[in-house]
Amino acid sequence: GAGVSQSPSNKVTEKGKDVELRCDPISGHTALYWYRQRLGQGLEFLIYFQGNSAPDKSGLPSDRFSAERTGESVSTLTIQRTQQEDSAVYLCASSSHGGREDTQYFGPGTRLTVL
Amino acid sequence: AQSVTQPDIHITVSEGASLELRCNYSYGATPYLFWYVQSPGQGLQLLLKYFSGDTLVQGIKGFEAEFKRSQSSFNLRKPSVHWSDAAEYFCAVVPWDSSYKLIFGSGTRLLVRP
Repeated sequence: GAGVSQSPSNKVTEKGKDVELRCDPISGHTALYWYRQRLGQGLEFLIYFQGNSAPDKSGLPSDRFSAERTGESVSTLTIQRTQQEDSAVYLCASSSHGGREDTQYFGPGTRLTVL
Repeated sequence: AQSVTQPDIHITVSEGASLELRCNYSYGATPYLFWYVQSPGQGLQLLLKYFSGDTLVQGIKGFEAEFKRSQSSFNLRKPSVHWSDAAEYFCAVVPWDSSYKLIFGSGTRLLVRP
């Protein structure tokens, strides 16, 4: 596709349920990032994938959060036992090789609401 | 502490007026600097970036930004605002000791009066 796509665009869930968010990066991009944007705030880095290297999970807020990426394609972010404080927009980005000068291209995000 | 500060939460300007959005960073060495725009229902779009060299950077949609090392600032400007510029603007950095993590400010929401 032309850009980064994410699904679903909106997700409403009950507290305690698990959710899975999907990201399709730009074809050929080896680097993939997940960020979280809470209401009225900037983006917080969650996790970074680069090719077959071990992911940088340093931004994951708790062990309820996990993410996977198969090769250089789709990534899924899973939140287990969701809490109300998990409500946010989850943004995915990809870039061609992950260096400092690399432009990160963002998807439209998934808005997660935990009731 | 290392941080990116956007002191203005909201800014309202009249269409056709000039615009300046402020961004200050607090890092030991000059990071890589970015401005992104987020329009309602859309993802973030890169407006411009600064790595080194000429301190006045031109971007898309008629935006420019000036890096001032002495003030640790990277303010975004536009000489004449259009109604379609109404959006949220984020300043972001990649610190010198990082290779990829974007650290974002909290954003400035721009409203444009007709």
